[in-house]
Amino acid sequence: NAGVTQTPKFRVLKTGQSMTLLCAQDMNHEYMYWYRQDPGMGLRLIHYSVGEGTTAKGEVPDGYNVSRLKKQNFLLGLESAAPSQTSVYFCASRHDRDRLYTFGSGTRLTVV
Amino acid sequence: GENVEQHPSTLSVQEGDSAVIKCTYSDSASNYFPWYKQELGKRPQLIIDIRSNVGEKKDQRIAVTLNKTAKHFSLHITETQPEDSAVYFCAASLSGGSYIPTFGRGTSLIVHP
Repeated sequence: NAGVTQTPKFRVLKTGQSMTLLCAQDMNHEYMYWYRQDPGMGLRLIHYSVGEGTTAKGEVPDGYNVSRLKKQNFLLGLESAAPSQTSVYFCASRHDRDRLYTFGSGTRLTVV
Repeated sequence: GENVEQHPSTLSVQEGDSAVIKCTYSDSASNYFPWYKQELGKRPQLIIDIRSNVGEKKDQRIAVTLNKTAKHFSLHITETQPEDSAVYFCAASLSGGSYIPTFGRGTSLIVHP
């Protein structure tokens, strides 16, 4: 049981490049979330999903897109990376009857 | 929407001392308040939570108190140890529906041996 797995763990992008971060969970969780964590800012919600095929915007969605084509996977895309998107990205999931978040180990993204 | 303020941003204590981290929230409808601990380079992990029908909850050296009238809740760590050093996040939310907690900005706790 791997829990929540994020790939990649580290990435350096040049401004304007695109990339996709993958979050995979094997716990059959309905809800999945993408957060970014910046120093002194806590965890800010980017997008979330309440089930396969659904997505919704969070607090800071601009510059990101997401997809949930399969229940176990939640993808976060950056179409044209900007230095302001340098951050640590965390994925989380939970069962619909539980408030316990399971976080992934994070992806450290640097945009130069 | 909900707004969660967390203080202090940094807390430095000597081993064995107590540490208190405080949070306030804005939405009186919020009824679930978890606390997360994040060690350096690791993922956040839930350490304790409290629901609005309870005023205090303890788990060994950690405790959380809730004052619904004042809309604030606090994390108390007694007999601190170096391994308690981490960033602590509070959060607040409604417990039902899509349950999306609003997190505080975090408190960096440093416990000096």
